[in-house]
Amino acid sequence: EAQVTQNPRYLITVTGKKLTVTCSQNMNHEYMSWYRQDPGLGLRQIYYSMNVEVTDKGDVPEGYKVSRKEKRNFPLILESPSPNQTSLYFCASGKRVLAGETSTDTQYFGPGTRLTVL
Amino acid sequence: GDSVTQMEGPVTLSEEAFLTINCTYTATGYPSLFWYVQYPGEGLQLLLKATKADDKGSNKGFEATYRKETTSFHLEKGSVQVSDSAVYFCALSSPRGNQFYFGTGTSLTVIP
Repeated sequence: EAQVTQNPRYLITVTGKKLTVTCSQNMNHEYMSWYRQDPGLGLRQIYYSMNVEVTDKGDVPEGYKVSRKEKRNFPLILESPSPNQTSLYFCASGKRVLAGETSTDTQYFGPGTRLTVL
Repeated sequence: GDSVTQMEGPVTLSEEAFLTINCTYTATGYPSLFWYVQYPGEGLQLLLKATKADDKGSNKGFEATYRKETTSFHLEKGSVQVSDSAVYFCALSSPRGNQFYFGTGTSLTVIP
């Protein structure tokens, strides 16, 4: 089954304790991305990756790190979590499609990770 | 910068009513436009998309037309069902296809 998986699904931690949220996709997608979802703010892009070893900042990258050593995995790292990073996090993947002036395709989302930082 | 503005919710409709959720965007160049749906406790799923001006995306009775002149991509459905109850997000991708921008989401509840 084609899917994006995230682990853990739920996490409660304390300020300053490093954590990693894993993301894996089995669709051989080049593109992967992380979002956070907050009430009244919708989804905001944290980081994205166009391919292995190619990552770039989204709209809200502060306090996060990512790596893309393999095509299927795109972990999100919080080196020193703070309470303002309490949120619902989604990983997504997609296939790049070039079409004239645009380059885009559907994103497939994971089930989400609910993170609480105390 | 690029952004998406969509109608505030929540929206409550009776079954078989007509649905419109407004979405307007600001972008440089020619973005692609999307509607995603999120059911309770789940991730987002693509509902429909349009990649160029005047394209109409459609799926499961939902439709949206890419209007460049009004920078809009309004979602419509002629007759909603209880099973359509969910949160709907309008989104755009930058012309290079690397950055995505989402609206704040509109919660829809359909009552029998």
